[in-house]
Amino acid sequence: DTGVSQDPRHKITKRGQNVTFRCDPISEHNRLYWYRQTLGQGPEFLTYFQNEAQLEKSRLLSDRFSAERPKGSFSTLEIQRTEQGDSAMYLCASSLGTGINEQYFGPGTRLTVT
Amino acid sequence: GENVEQHPSTLSVQEGDSAVIKCTYSDSASNYFPWYKQELGKRPQLIIDIRSNVGEKKDQRIAVTLNKTAKHFSLHITETQPEDSAVYFCAPPPYGQNFVFGPGTRLSVLP
Repeated sequence: DTGVSQDPRHKITKRGQNVTFRCDPISEHNRLYWYRQTLGQGPEFLTYFQNEAQLEKSRLLSDRFSAERPKGSFSTLEIQRTEQGDSAMYLCASSLGTGINEQYFGPGTRLTVT
Repeated sequence: GENVEQHPSTLSVQEGDSAVIKCTYSDSASNYFPWYKQELGKRPQLIIDIRSNVGEKKDQRIAVTLNKTAKHFSLHITETQPEDSAVYFCAPPPYGQNFVFGPGTRLSVLP
């Protein structure tokens, strides 16, 4: 296990379609985070999990977005009825333990909605 | 919610000079203060962090200083090199434990 991985790395979809992204964290990491990053901006927090429990969700996350981590290992982020404004880099990160520690980021999934 | 600012937003220095980036935050409950570096087209990576029981931490050419009273912490890079060119983000988590990243500072090290 060499780090956090994300799949796919790139996704082009048409407006109105649903997309799903996967994140595999570092195996012993309890916490998993999802962020969105647009060009020239810092990562914007979306949600995070402690094991399989989704503990916090950003107010910015509309009901078109849903995330799961069913077995406390990998996670999926689904966006329904995509809009052009959803185009961004979606980053996943994981960290060890139950406190606040260093986050290790994945390479991201770049979403383009046409 | 947490309000995080960084100054300056862009910084250009000559190779070998020092660079300082300041991060101000609003949540007095924050007790962990990291700096992440993001090179063009790459993922953010932690370069240094500090906890609230320490005022300063140094790792080779990089240091972080913390002023909890004034609610700011700073990244110091000495003897800058071209590979230090990147965007730097601070990310002090508020009490709610979600991470709020600052807007970033773009550092350019000129040869």
